[in-house]
Amino acid sequence: LAKTTQPISMDSYEGQEVNITCSHNNIATNDYITWYQQFPSQGPRFIIQGYKTKVTNEVASLFIPADRKSSTLSLPRVSLSDTAVYYCLGGTGFQKLVFGTGTRLLVSP
Amino acid sequence: EAGVAQSPRYKIIEKRQSVAFWCNPISGHATLYWYQQILGQGPKLLIQFQNNGVVDDSQLPKDRFSAERLKGVDSTLKIQPAKLEDSAVYLCASSYTYEDRGNSPLHFGNGTRLTVT
Repeated sequence: LAKTTQPISMDSYEGQEVNITCSHNNIATNDYITWYQQFPSQGPRFIIQGYKTKVTNEVASLFIPADRKSSTLSLPRVSLSDTAVYYCLGGTGFQKLVFGTGTRLLVSP
Repeated sequence: EAGVAQSPRYKIIEKRQSVAFWCNPISGHATLYWYQQILGQGPKLLIQFQNNGVVDDSQLPKDRFSAERLKGVDSTLKIQPAKLEDSAVYLCASSYTYEDRGNSPLHFGNGTRLTVT
């Protein structure tokens, strides 16, 4: 079964760039990689999605190497409000709906 | 656009009682999902609907959980009877379409926090 692997937690300071890497084995040729953000007492929120190379939106950038076995979510100049859990999802069919334990990002002043 | 609506926001019941959760997805979204999120864990998919048909319910504990999506819009998730281990946040999500390799992201509601005592 396809599975994604992320660091359990990361710490950062305000104004720094944060990069969270996700490994995804068995991802199929046509599968997208999707990242979600979750704040306490809220449902996950879609951040960004990509298929290959680089995708950028107003919130983050997503880097996907040519072999697509991993992806990196980049958050530029984080603030305290970026403290949240970040989930990487990828895979085929049912697997694209499977959340792991995510990465808990703590941003300090 | 209006987001996914869920109610109630909180619910406290005793074990062996029954409880129901309601979800109204984003207008036009054909696919609806129910997730269970236990404290400290990622959301776990319970059931997935495409319009009013079930696509996948392999992880739904069918001896006590049931869900329906009449008319392909609103959905309800029921637990009867509840157990202590059912204490969790129940999240509803919807997406525009379901495809095996599609890129339609999920839109989540804020969930119902269930406490079973």
